[in-house]
Amino acid sequence: NAGVTQTPKFRVLKTGQSMTLLCAQDMNHEYMYWYRQDPGMGLRLIHYSVGEGTTAKGEVPDGYNVSRLKKQNFLLGLESAAPSQTSVYFCASSRLVRPYEQYFGPGTRLTVT
Amino acid sequence: AQRVTQPEKLLSVFKGAPVELKCNYSYSGSPELFWYVQYSRQRLQLLLRHISRESIKGFTADLNKGETSFHLKKPFAQEEDSAMYYCALSSGNTPLVFGKGTRLSVIA
Repeated sequence: NAGVTQTPKFRVLKTGQSMTLLCAQDMNHEYMYWYRQDPGMGLRLIHYSVGEGTTAKGEVPDGYNVSRLKKQNFLLGLESAAPSQTSVYFCASSRLVRPYEQYFGPGTRLTVT
Repeated sequence: AQRVTQPEKLLSVFKGAPVELKCNYSYSGSPELFWYVQYSRQRLQLLLRHISRESIKGFTADLNKGETSFHLKKPFAQEEDSAMYYCALSSGNTPLVFGKGTRLSVIA
């Protein structure tokens, strides 16, 4: 099992450009999450999903959109990137019966210039 | 509102010395508390949860409801313990709330 994978690993964007980050999991987990990790700020939840076709806002959702069309995939979109979105983005997934045990992806390092 | 506070951004200890990573929380109900760890070049992973009352890699953590704390302790630090540690809180069906993390550096 690959577990949780993220694509791409690195990306540099110019202000105003758009992009989509892909998260995929092969563990048949119901829950999926997107976090951003910034120095001194820890992990902050952007959006999450409790099942296929459902999404919900986390702590810092502004400037991001998500979609979960398939159970195994969770997409994070930036419609118009801003320098404040420079961060490391982590995807995670967990089972319905043990939602606290999250399995994390390797992260995507995004720089917006 | 739920909140997790880790007062130390960085904690440096010598090898063999005791380690205590502090975590305080605010939540009006009965929380579940967890510690996650991120070693260099590895993924963030669950280290332990308070309900299981287990010792993982020599680490233990006791939930103190009176002091609303869940400090992570190890009697003798090892170099391989150097990592980023996150305390997290769960309340029912809501997503985990993470603290800002403490970077532990064990000096040889």
